Amino acid sequence: QVQLVQSGAEVKKPGSSVKVSCKASGGTFSSYAISWVRQAPGQGLEWMGGIIPIFGIVNYAQKFRGRVTITTDDSTSTAYMELSSLRSEDTAVYYCAKSPSLAPGWFDPWGQGTLVTVSS
Amino acid sequence: EIVLTQSPGTLSLSPGERATLSCRASQSISSNYLAWYQQKPGQAPRLLIYGASNRATGIPDRFSGSGSGTDFTLTISRLEPEDFAVYYCQQYGSSPMYSFGQGTKLEIK
Repeated sequence: QVQLVQSGAEVKKPGSSVKVSCKASGGTFSSYAISWVRQAPGQGLEWMGGIIPIFGIVNYAQKFRGRVTITTDDSTSTAYMELSSLRSEDTAVYYCAKSPSLAPGWFDPWGQGTLVTVSS
Repeated sequence: EIVLTQSPGTLSLSPGERATLSCRASQSISSNYLAWYQQKPGQAPRLLIYGASNRATGIPDRFSGSGSGTDFTLTISRLEPEDFAVYYCQQYGSSPMYSFGQGTKLEIK
């Protein structure tokens, strides 16, 4: 049973960057894809991008291209999402989520979420 | 990009009643690659249904999914108090680009 544990809440200034981590335990890290999904306060879910660690293939939603970078550290079974040029609208809970395999798939399980607050 | 539209936005029902939630796609979703999630306040989403009609592990059989092409439905046969939450559909047929519906809030009447 794979479990995903994310890093803690962050408070950032506009224009800065944030890097959120997602550590996987159980399972084989290289055998599935990891996606990042965010949820602004009171809003719905928004897919930001995903990575297939074994192939190093990364895909980003068009809205976030140029501002988001998703990486992994296979030695620690950890995925990272870095978002730059932060603005107040980026205040949200950021989730990592696992796909069942390397193929397109649903998300299960999810990390517990990381609240990122952007405020001057 | 496939746009998913969920209806209704809010559904007010009583425990024991039947709930029917709709998810409509802007174009056909290949291989019925559609999932449903439940989210309660302060919690991460939980997978309920994948492949349009397959219940995830541990999900009660009062939850069922149906549909194909562009029209999909999540049905909760008899509402329990713990079922009142927000429900999202998600398509993974246009991988590597995924999208979610805007959600349906199921509230106690």
